[in-house]
Amino acid sequence: DGGITQSPKYLFRKEGQNVTLSCEQNLNHDAMYWYRQDPGQGLRLIYYSQIVNDFQKGDIAEGYSVSREKKESFPLTVTSAQKNPTAFYLCASSIVGTRNYNEQFFGPGTRLTVL
Amino acid sequence: AQSVTQPDIHITVSEGASLELRCNYSYGATPYLFWYVQSPGQGLQLLLKYFSGDTLVQGIKGFEAEFKRSQSSFNLRKPSVHWSDAAEYFCAVGFNNDMRFGAGTRLTVKP
Repeated sequence: DGGITQSPKYLFRKEGQNVTLSCEQNLNHDAMYWYRQDPGQGLRLIYYSQIVNDFQKGDIAEGYSVSREKKESFPLTVTSAQKNPTAFYLCASSIVGTRNYNEQFFGPGTRLTVL
Repeated sequence: AQSVTQPDIHITVSEGASLELRCNYSYGATPYLFWYVQSPGQGLQLLLKYFSGDTLVQGIKGFEAEFKRSQSSFNLRKPSVHWSDAAEYFCAVGFNNDMRFGAGTRLTVKP
């Protein structure tokens, strides 16, 4: 079964701690994305990567970091510098093809709560 | 600035009634257009997409959407809503590897 997995589903963190969210895909997609979702604000792009060992900041990258060491994995670290990290985090992937843009496939999400 | 607007934050319809969810975009050229659905606590599922060609596109679960270039709109429709359609719906536009999402419309279905 091809798809995107995110773990854990729920994550609790104390203030001042870094935490890493996992995202794995077996769709053989080149591009991967991290979004943050807050009520009434839709999805906002944190980081994206179109190829291994390369990634770009999205609209709200401050306080977050990523790595792309393998094609199938794109972990997101929420650092202590992120002032308001409580949110629902969604990972997505897509092919990088001849179109200007390709549809994104989403994982089930991770809900992060800072205590 | 490029933007996507979903004017309705929350819509309530009766089961069996028709549904139309609105989406307007502001882009310099015709972008690629998508509608996604999200059940509570879940990821997003693609309902349908428009790249080019016929401006009326059919999607999964009986949904359809019509692209109107003159109005910069891509409204989602369903002729008869089922209780299982209750969810949040997101319009998204993509252009040059940049995808933007609307704020979403929450759909409640009354029995």
